[in-house]
Amino acid sequence: DAKTTQPTSMDCAEGRAANLPCNHSTISGNEYVYWYRQIHSQGPQYIIHGLKNNETNEMASLIITEDRKSSTLILPHATLRDTAVYYCIVNMDSWGKLQFGAGTQVVVTP
Amino acid sequence: EPEVTQTPSHQVTQMGQEVILRCVPISNHLYFYWYRQILGQKVEFLVSFYNNEISEKSEIFDDQFSVERPDGSNFTLKIRSTKLEDSAMYFCAYPGLAGAGPGDNEQFFGPGTRLTVL
Repeated sequence: DAKTTQPTSMDCAEGRAANLPCNHSTISGNEYVYWYRQIHSQGPQYIIHGLKNNETNEMASLIITEDRKSSTLILPHATLRDTAVYYCIVNMDSWGKLQFGAGTQVVVTP
Repeated sequence: EPEVTQTPSHQVTQMGQEVILRCVPISNHLYFYWYRQILGQKVEFLVSFYNNEISEKSEIFDDQFSVERPDGSNFTLKIRSTKLEDSAMYFCAYPGLAGAGPGDNEQFFGPGTRLTVL
């Protein structure tokens, strides 16, 4: 299963875009890139996923490099409620289990 | 976003006691998962459940754990004889598309049950 590397933490100013990087250099051709977040001790929340193309939904945008070895999650206008741990996951196996790493602790400040 | 409820929200038990954690998702899901998160640590996969059978389990999911779908809707996670190290948040999850397989499919998580073993 492909492993991911994310920064341990990052700060973002409220109202600004937050760009969260993720490296997944060993990703295989049929693995998707998923992003989840966890606010305090709540259940993880799905954000977005993609295979090759960039994706956008109401929460965020996902930019995947052409070689698929890295990706960036973009929160276009960060709010205080976006403070959370963000997980980049690319090792989804045939049964769909998610293998979480440590993620990136994002703190949005006023 | 589909909803899933978990009961109880918080369970306190004595070491060696049995606990049953429940999850009620939207019906007609073939796939189902349990995860746990020890305080301050990462979320860990426990077991996946497909069509009323265990499809995969982690090394954490030993003989003390079992999963069932007793009435066709609720999913339960049972710990037969709790240990101190079982203290954690337990989350159930299921794919977003009813009946769809994993892969190109998000998972929706419940709010969790906080289990405290004394």
